[in-house]
Amino acid sequence: GAVVSQHPSRVICKSGTSVKIECRSLDFQATTMFWYRQFPKQSLMLMATSNEGSKATYEQGVEKDKFLINHASLTLSTLTVTSAHPEDSSFYICSARDSAGYTFGSGTRLTVV
Amino acid sequence: QKEVEQDPGPLSVPEGAIVSLNCTYSNSAFQYFMWYRQYSRKGPELLMYTYSSGNKEDGRFTAQVDKSSKYISLFIRDSQPSDSATYLCAIVTSGTYKYIFGTGTRLKVLA
Repeated sequence: GAVVSQHPSRVICKSGTSVKIECRSLDFQATTMFWYRQFPKQSLMLMATSNEGSKATYEQGVEKDKFLINHASLTLSTLTVTSAHPEDSSFYICSARDSAGYTFGSGTRLTVV
Repeated sequence: QKEVEQDPGPLSVPEGAIVSLNCTYSNSAFQYFMWYRQYSRKGPELLMYTYSSGNKEDGRFTAQVDKSSKYISLFIRDSQPSDSATYLCAIVTSGTYKYIFGTGTRLKVLA
């Protein structure tokens, strides 16, 4: 089946720095990818929809200048958390649409200290 | 009212038990219904999806949708310790790509 590779799986960064998370579709092209955030014991919340070759669409309440999304190719979308703060610590998950539906990456645990 | 409500759990059952996981939703425009399994610190993996009322079986798993009651269920037969995970229901409106997830039910199957 379709595989979505997400890296890194875990990252710890200092407050004020930026962190980039990559989401790659393997063996298929994804014109649309999605970025979610999941807090402990809570559901996945859609942050933004990433469209290849165009600007991302952000959900209400998500700061587009803080969470930069780039979808430069049909197999790669990146999420950059800029000027990270401890409250940005969370589990970030991407997903991509394939022929059978939507496949999720394995997630990135971000801890900002 | 949340668009999707899911029984919070946690749920502990003995090995071999039949497990019932449930979600309700409020918007009758929702048309696609999915169940995901999420192991700790991993991304969700799709278990089953359906778009019509009725039952759909896949091995030990049965997904049930009742559109008249806006109620969906996932049944796990002969539950195994390896089934221990968080189960999330997800619902999508036709024509959009937006998933709305339930909060998840944490299941623990005791050996």
